[in-house]
Amino acid sequence: SAVISQKPSRDICQRGTSLTIQCQVDSQVTMMFWYRQQPGQSLTLIATANQGSEATYESGFVIDKFPISRPNLTFSTLTVSNMSPEDSSIYLCSVAQGVTEAFFGQGTRLTVV
Amino acid sequence: AQSVTQLDSQVPVFEEAPVELRCNYSSSVSVYLFWYVQYPNQGLQLLLKYLSGSTLVKSINGFEAEFNKSQTSFHLRKPSVHISDTAEYFCAVRKSGNTPLVFGKGTRLSVIA
Repeated sequence: SAVISQKPSRDICQRGTSLTIQCQVDSQVTMMFWYRQQPGQSLTLIATANQGSEATYESGFVIDKFPISRPNLTFSTLTVSNMSPEDSSIYLCSVAQGVTEAFFGQGTRLTVV
Repeated sequence: AQSVTQLDSQVPVFEEAPVELRCNYSSSVSVYLFWYVQYPNQGLQLLLKYLSGSTLVKSINGFEAEFNKSQTSFHLRKPSVHISDTAEYFCAVRKSGNTPLVFGKGTRLSVIA
């Protein structure tokens, strides 16, 4: 199994500012995934982050808005840039180990005011 | 691409009654199937998974799900629910290791005393 630590757990931010979310894994993993869960909604994949390469973004998500870093095999960050109230969501980091299951961080609950 | 349909957005049920949460998937390749549970204000937890072998899989807290390839379904059932089962339940699929999960929209199970 993998243990994922995500920081911050929650934040309230002013519109127009940026927030960087950190994801630390207790073991080396090839791929890390970032999801967004809007209020009352399911999880939507934002991007897949490989170590040493650019993240791959899903349709509707762009690097300028959600820049991602993946400096090593245990760490990644997601930045939510130029925030608006529509960005208020829970952001989750996830890793996959083999085919058995995916592990999730506790999430970052972001409120933009 | 894979997709998941959870047919019921909300399911209210009385305590000790049986429940079935429906999940259908679509994929052009073989997939692995998962049910995740999210208790109020908590992170995602794996409930059970189907990888191969027996089509009936069970969790430690009394839930079970049956993989039906011909109907492309993976419905979740419990013969007798408890108040503590109140949560959001997400069905998810993935096609191989190191690929992201694709989630359904979720089913909110509300157990009524």
